Amino acid sequence: QKEVEQDPGPLSVPEGAIVSLNCTYSNSAFQYFMWYRQYSRKGPELLMYTYSSGNKEDGRFTAQVDKSSKYISLFIRDSQPSDSATYLCAMEGSYIPTFGRGTSLIVHP
Amino acid sequence: EAQVTQNPRYLITVTGKKLTVTCSQNMNHEYMSWYRQDPGLGLRQIYYSMNVEVTDKGDVPEGYKVSRKEKRNFPLILESPSPNQTSLYFCASSLTRGPSYEQYFGPGTRLTVT
Repeated sequence: QKEVEQDPGPLSVPEGAIVSLNCTYSNSAFQYFMWYRQYSRKGPELLMYTYSSGNKEDGRFTAQVDKSSKYISLFIRDSQPSDSATYLCAMEGSYIPTFGRGTSLIVHP
Repeated sequence: EAQVTQNPRYLITVTGKKLTVTCSQNMNHEYMSWYRQDPGLGLRQIYYSMNVEVTDKGDVPEGYKVSRKEKRNFPLILESPSPNQTSLYFCASSLTRGPSYEQYFGPGTRLTVT
């Protein structure tokens, strides 16, 4: 079993939909949780970073962490075609980050 | 413009022919690292460097070497490439080590070893 599980998709939604992206993990040592966005033929870019359980909001994006269930989510409100990308979750406990394999999101007009 | 650059962007080579992928950052970052990205496996860290002349292994260091002689540069060396090193490689840098410091990724180098 991988330490971090992430459904690769693709997830296809209409413009304006609320998108939910999720990762589960098995390592209780993970304390830091990140979401990256990766456009085709580009490197990942950090979207959000959280430490504690609970929600963190940044514009249309909300990151949610549930440490008791070992489950993290990224919600995108009012999704736009420009949100079409691969979203990677990442977790860290001992300075070497562990990444999920990414979920491909397609937002169609 | 703050950026991480990698060269070459695409490379096709043959088994056993030594190659170097260069990485350079202009943000005066102390921490630099190399990742490989493979379908179904996600990003995995190969090597990292805390500062000049300080390097250490990541999760998948076998078959790779690195050096950090200058703060801005962190080349990845494959002394004898093999087909299982065919992958997409990313260099990244951050101010220092730790999850609260954003890592900036380069554009990637797609390597094919035949």
